[in-house]
Amino acid sequence: GEDVEQSLFLSVREGDSSVINCTYTDSSSTYLYWYKQEPGAGLQLLTYIFSNMDMKQDQRLTVLLNKKDKHLSLRIADTQTGDSAIYFCAEGALSGGYNKLIFGAGTRLAVHP
Amino acid sequence: KAGVTQTPRYLIKTRGQQVTLSCSPISGHRSVSWYQQTPGQGLQFLFEYFSETQRNKGNFPGRFSGRQFSNSRSEMNVSTLELGDSALYLCASSPGTSGRSDEQFFGPGTRLTVL
Repeated sequence: GEDVEQSLFLSVREGDSSVINCTYTDSSSTYLYWYKQEPGAGLQLLTYIFSNMDMKQDQRLTVLLNKKDKHLSLRIADTQTGDSAIYFCAEGALSGGYNKLIFGAGTRLAVHP
Repeated sequence: KAGVTQTPRYLIKTRGQQVTLSCSPISGHRSVSWYQQTPGQGLQFLFEYFSETQRNKGNFPGRFSGRQFSNSRSEMNVSTLELGDSALYLCASSPGTSGRSDEQFFGPGTRLTVL
């Protein structure tokens, strides 16, 4: 079946690194995504990784993928108060059709001074 | 390029009524997907349209329906509203032509409250 799990809360100090973890179940997923949602807003695509990659870096964001363990992580370097939001991990489910994203419950990141 | 637009942004209805939500995708995008976000169930996939055809459907009752027009704009309809339909309804736009889960761009959502 399709399922994505993430821890619900993460609290970090401003300037530290944040690491948000996610596990997924659908081995046919070829793309995995990280979205950010700020209060009252829609979802903003942060980054995504193709399943044949182990790592992808984009400025302060680093995505690590362990396909064997179906584990995905998002590292935010030098976390700022503006990074406070809910972060969703999502897998692109190919079974049954196109463009279906399965989301985790979201990790609420709180950044404190 | 303009982003994904959704109208209206906020809506209040009563039980038993029906509602229609609208989504305009990014220019040139042909795929529109709809998601429901609630505190209890999180983000759940409703359906996806490409070139006026529904390609994929989530596990929602038949009260939830949608359509797509020739200009790729999409509407979703919920009939006989229930209290549990109160949610943020998000629309996502993507090119839709690669046969995989394309990068999806989300609109700001329509907040539906059912009283």
